[in-house]
Amino acid sequence: SAVISQKPSRDICQRGTSLTIQCQVDSQVTMMFWYRQQPGQSLTLIATANQGSEATYESGFVIDKFPISRPNLTFSTLTVSNMSPEDSSIYLCSVRPGFGGYTFGSGTRLTVV
Amino acid sequence: EDKVVQSPLSLVVHEGDTVTLNCSYEVTNFRSLLWYKQEKKAPTFLFMLTSSGIEKKSGRLSSILDKKELFSILNITATQTGDSAVYLCAVVRNLLSGAGSYQLTFGKGTKLSVIP
Repeated sequence: SAVISQKPSRDICQRGTSLTIQCQVDSQVTMMFWYRQQPGQSLTLIATANQGSEATYESGFVIDKFPISRPNLTFSTLTVSNMSPEDSSIYLCSVRPGFGGYTFGSGTRLTVV
Repeated sequence: EDKVVQSPLSLVVHEGDTVTLNCSYEVTNFRSLLWYKQEKKAPTFLFMLTSSGIEKKSGRLSSILDKKELFSILNITATQTGDSAVYLCAVVRNLLSGAGSYQLTFGKGTKLSVIP
């Protein structure tokens, strides 16, 4: 299965600033997925990132708030822009390496103060 | 709207107990059901179930799917403190938009606490 390196592991940010989260996969994958997990909640898909095309955002998430880059088949970034305390969550990237379950990165715990 | 409901939401047991976690779902174009263990941040993959009635087993953990009644269970026998975690159920469905397009819907999870 794929191994995903995600960073930063955690950060505490001031409201109004932006944070970029990076995910590096040890193999080439077509699609990468970005999730948010708010405190006490389940995982919610933010967007799907395909290499060479615009990311596809789920209802309730917009590109201006969560811009995504996918420059190649092993790397993606998610930026959380103009942060507010409501953005405090765990952010996770995920891939589906071939047949089988989805693999997740180690997660980024974001606290906005 | 797709729904994945897990029960119970939380559970406290003593070491050595056996637990059963439940996951029921309502999705269109069902493809598979996944179980994950989440200890800190990253969910760790446990099982993928696609066929009814076929038990998947890994050590003390086992899981089975009932596609007629739309549910799955995850069993943990002889629980240990290291089993303490949130267990997530996710259902994968096929999207009509294109071949190989899938969507995951997660349940809220069951928080299991195993006390010595």
